[in-house]
Order: sequence, then C-alpha cells, then structure tokens
Amino acid sequence: KAGVTQTPRYLIKTRGQQVTLSCSPISGHRSVSWYQQTPGQGLQFLFEYFSETQRNKGNFPGRFSGRQFSNSRSEMNVSTLELGDSALYLCASSPAGFGAASYNEQFFGPGTRLTVL
Amino acid sequence: GQQLNQSPQSMFIQEGEDVSMNCTSSSIFNTWLWYKQDPGEGPVLLIALYKAGELTSNGRLTAQFGITRKDSFLNISASIPSDVGIYFCAGDRNTGNQFYFGTGTSLTVIP
Repeated sequence: KAGVTQTPRYLIKTRGQQVTLSCSPISGHRSVSWYQQTPGQGLQFLFEYFSETQRNKGNFPGRFSGRQFSNSRSEMNVSTLELGDSALYLCASSPAGFGAASYNEQFFGPGTRLTVL
Repeated sequence: GQQLNQSPQSMFIQEGEDVSMNCTSSSIFNTWLWYKQDPGEGPVLLIALYKAGELTSNGRLTAQFGITRKDSFLNISASIPSDVGIYFCAGDRNTGNQFYFGTGTSLTVIP
C-alpha cells in the first residue's frame, strides 16, 4: 500500500505571495491532518479534515486554510506569506473509523519544505 | 497550542547502550504514540498505546502508557547507529483525532 504523498517537496516563495500544498492520504484513510514544524515551535497542529469537513482546528491565523476532496485528498493554502511561515509542513492520514482506537493512528508524509524570502 | 513535555531534549550515547526517554502532560490522554523522524523526512510511527499501564514492544523498542494517563515512556535497548534521529511522543485526548506532540528527543549514537 502506498504511503502518504505530499507535493511539492520543496517550495520557495516571497513575502505576500500565496501557496497551495497537496496531500494524498493512504488509500482508504478518511482523515487528513496538517502540521507545521519549525525548530523553535516543534510540531504544531493546523487542522484536520474528515469526509470533506474540517473537524478540528489549531491556533493559526485565517491565512491558513485547507480543504478535502471526495477522494480524501487534501490541500492546504497559505495566503499573504510571511517570513515566519517558513517551515516543514507535514500531512498525516488515519483511517478514522469508529470502534477501534487504532483507527486514529496517524501516518505522516515526507513533508513540504516551504521557504519564504 | 499545547505541547507535551519531553525529556531529555538530547542524548549522546555509545553504541550498545540502552536509552530511556519520557513524555509528561498536565492533561489525561487516551492514546499515546511514539514517532521517529529522520532529517528532511516525516515522522514514522514506532509504537501505539491505548490503555493505562499498557507495555508494548516493537523489536528493541518498548513503550509504556503511564498509569496516571499523563505520561509515557520509550526505551531503546542495545542502541545501534541507525537509531539516530529525533523521537517524538504524541497524545490524543479523543476530542476528535487531534494529537499534541512532544518537543522531541534528539538521539546521537556514537559507534
């Protein structure tokens, strides 16, 4: 079974621009979560999507948004980029069914390294 | 956002030694996960724990779900050079599949 894939792997943008990152979950997984990882703040939860609906949201400004498609693929968008948005953005998928805690185990993709100049 | 307290922050050990690290929280968690991350890659799931007191092994790795449900421990026995990386704990309070991550333990194994 293929793992979680993220595209692109690397991205360089300038301040004020916007960016869209893509995540394809493991086949059959219905939940996709997004995280921002920086040396200073560690792994910070952005949001989680389940069945095309945002189910959980972390403490990030509205410039960070996402969506999920009917095939469970997800995109994350950051508008008006700031220097502090430079980070590794990680996507994780899980089966997210009911009745078994193992359905919440999250499997990560390799990440997209975003550099804002 | 909330983060779990993970210690130690870094470790330098000789090949063959055992390693212990732990994660604590002020909140109760219902699931604990342990991950390993290599440079430039995403975290890889090592062990998952679901019940207080549970002890689970994966090869040379053993993790425990603390009985207070506010902590977890990871032990690596007989370390080898490929154990090098950053280890993260993650906890879920079952509030809807939202995990909180530890600050990470950087492990260096000296051959």
